[in-house]
Formats: sequence, structure tokens, C-alpha cells
Amino acid sequence: EADIYQTPRYLVIGTGKKITLECSQTMGHDKMYWYQQDPGMELHLIHYSYGVNSTEKGDLSSESTVSRIRTEHFPLTLESARPSHTSQYLCASSERTGLLNTEAFFGQGTRLTVV
Amino acid sequence: AQTVTQSQPEMSVQEAETVTLSCTYDTSENNYYLFWYKQPPSRQMILVIRQEAYKQQNATENRFSVNFQKAAKSFSLKISDSQLGDTAMYFCAFMKPTFYNNDMRFGAGTRLTVKP
Repeated sequence: EADIYQTPRYLVIGTGKKITLECSQTMGHDKMYWYQQDPGMELHLIHYSYGVNSTEKGDLSSESTVSRIRTEHFPLTLESARPSHTSQYLCASSERTGLLNTEAFFGQGTRLTVV
Repeated sequence: AQTVTQSQPEMSVQEAETVTLSCTYDTSENNYYLFWYKQPPSRQMILVIRQEAYKQQNATENRFSVNFQKAAKSFSLKISDSQLGDTAMYFCAFMKPTFYNNDMRFGAGTRLTVKP
């Protein structure tokens, strides 16, 4: 089982609230990712990081922000949640490419509903 | 930019039979990695199988095997002796081995249902 954890698993929140989705990994991976996925649909990369103090926007524009102050922690924040933010958010991490273990490991996801 | 295409949104198979999921990709790179991931309903995404582009031999993992055709840029997944627990979304993914870029791309997924 992968050592990458997301909390909370499920969250229902009112419009306008600020929320932070937590993601932590204990594998010492440099790279971390946030994907947005509507149930049963494709994954859209919204943020990624290749190490401490690095953050980059992904392919899908998102109103969320991320930070990477520690290697193991990559939280995602929505300053003002809206119903359009309702989705599943998947966090993943991977080891520096060039080594054997190059695949991404995924957390269990956070299913966010904004009402 | 790399793209990954899964042309079968949904598939079904009878238990114990064999099914093949298709994936094609577009890249100008010569060295890269390809993956198949499985996402069961309401459960964690897990890696099924991995293929390095420089290896000609097709990867196998128990009942799962791939048909990697580098020239055709095709990477299909074959599931033999399908089991009910194989019911899931399957995502094909491409990874370019560079460190400072967003180098992982996913296909749109194929929903596989194994019927008893």
C-alpha cells in the first residue's frame, strides 16, 4: 500500500468558505501532483511541484493554490469555495525520474462538495 | 506535447474471459515510460503494469500483460482470466523522464465491467 495520505476523504462545505485539502507522503518523493477528477472521468492536472519551494500550475486552470514548504506535505487551498469546485481531488507523488521506481503513487482522494 | 488517447470509454467482459484495452500516444521522444493504472470504484488508484520504452520485451504481471508497439505508438493492456475485482476505471499514462517538467500524461480512461 502506498504511503500517501489525503484528508479529509469527504467534505461538504458552503459557498464562500476557505478550505485546505491535505496531502502527505512518507516516501521522500521529490515530485508531487494535484489532479482534479469528476467521478469516473479523466484526470486533469491542476498543480505540481518538483521539490521544496517549487510549485507550478498544471494543464487545467484552477482557482486553487498550493504550497510546498516541506518535502512530505503538499496542501491545496481554495480561498472561497464555489459549487463549480465540486469534484474529486487526487494527490500523487513520484520519485525523481531516472531511477527504477518512476511510477506515481496516489492518495485515496478527497471528494469535495460545495453547496 | 505528449497526448494519450484511450478510444474505448466503456468495455465489458464475462468473468474468466480475456479483454484488451487500447491506448495510443503521441510523442517525439525516444525514451519514456508507459503505465496502466487501475481505479476501482471509490478506491485508490494503483499501478497495474509499467513498460520502459527502451525495452522491447512486453511487460507482464500475472494476469496482466501489455502489447507495446513503439513504432505504432500503441500500448494495449490484456487482462486474462478476468475477475470481478478487475471492474474499475483503467487509465493509460505516459511519462517522459525529465525532472523539471510536468512529464506525466493520462488518457481519458476506460471503464471496464466484469460480468459474472
